[in-house]
This record gives sequence, C-alpha cells and structure tokens, in this order.
Amino acid sequence: DVKVTQSSRYLVKRTGEKVFLECVQDMDHENMFWYRQDPGLGLRLIYFSYDVKMKEKGDIPEGYSVSREKKERFSLILESASTNQTSMYLCASSLRTGTGETQYFGPGTRLLVL
Amino acid sequence: GENVEQHPSTLSVQEGDSAVIKCTYSDSASNYFPWYKQELGKRPQLIIDIRSNVGEKKDQRIAVTLNKTAKHFSLHITETQPEDSAVYFCARTNTGNQFYFGTGTSLTVIP
Repeated sequence: DVKVTQSSRYLVKRTGEKVFLECVQDMDHENMFWYRQDPGLGLRLIYFSYDVKMKEKGDIPEGYSVSREKKERFSLILESASTNQTSMYLCASSLRTGTGETQYFGPGTRLLVL
Repeated sequence: GENVEQHPSTLSVQEGDSAVIKCTYSDSASNYFPWYKQELGKRPQLIIDIRSNVGEKKDQRIAVTLNKTAKHFSLHITETQPEDSAVYFCARTNTGNQFYFGTGTSLTVIP
C-alpha cells in the first residue's frame, strides 16, 4: 500500500516568512509532484520532479521553489510567503513509465498566510 | 490548449439514479485519463482510469468512456449511494510527467 505523507496538516505563517512543506513517499516512485488546490480551480501543478535533483516547472511556479535531494523526499519552499499563497497544498507520487501512471496523493497541507 | 474542461461543476442525484460527468480536452497526444474522488477533508484517490487504446472500462458501478475523435471522456456512476457524494476530478496526460486536471464536480447523492 502506497503511503505519501506530508509534514503538516495545517500551517499558519506570516507574510514574508520562509515556509517549507515536506513530502515523503515509501514506494520508490521516480515522479513526485506538488499541486495547489483552490475552490473552482481544481488542482494546479506547481513543480514536479522525475528523479533526484531534477525538477521541472509546472503551470504556476512563481513564488515557489523545490528540492529533491533524496528519491523519497520532495520539498516545496515558499521563499517569502504572501497572502495569495494561502491554499491547500497536495503532494503526489507515481512511477515513471513515460505514458502515465496512477498518482498517489498525500493528505494535504492547508496553509494560511496572514 | 492544455486544460481539461469538466462539466457539470455541481450535480445532485437521487439515491439509486445514475450520474454522468464529462471532460473535454484538445491535446490529441493525450494517452492516459484518470478519475479521482476526493471526499471532504481527504486526499484525492484514483477510482478508475483509461488509456487511449481503450474505448470503455468498467469497475462494478463505475465506468469510464473515451471518445478520442471527439476528445472527450466521461465518468458514469450507476445505482448511486450516499457514500458516492464527493468531488470528482478528471485528468489527462501524454507523458506521465505533467497532468492536467479538470476543475472538479461536486456530486451530492440525496438519500
């Protein structure tokens, strides 16, 4: 059974703070993803990584960076949090086959930036 | 473009009735189409998926149909039950790296 865990379920931060969101998966998946989920907008991809130290921008990378130093761990960094980054953040992982495989999601982190 | 259009955004059905959610896309290279169910406060979970070489797939009360020519795919839930109430998301990809999600359908099954 795939497990994807996220470091926090709820976070409250102040504008300008540096925020780290961490995601860990235990299934040796190559691909890892960070999404934000907002009402009426669905899931929007921030960044994804297909291997250690590799990263690709998604649709909305501005204001975010990522780090993947180990295969099982993918971190999302908000360099200077702003109120418009208040959202639900979802991490996901999948096998890399080149044609699409099931994504397994973490429980989400609800971030409030004041 | 790259996005997936999903309709309707909300859907209410009586218990026992069927529910249909439709998604359309424009990238003809899309080859994998998953559907996710997200219950309130929980993570999205895959309920069914279909690849571009298949026109229909069924798993008990849930089915997905794909029309590659018209570039749309649909989720069909028959004999709906209250526990089917959730938000449903469609998605597409052509590489397995970048997925494009629909905006979600909030399904309510009325007992």
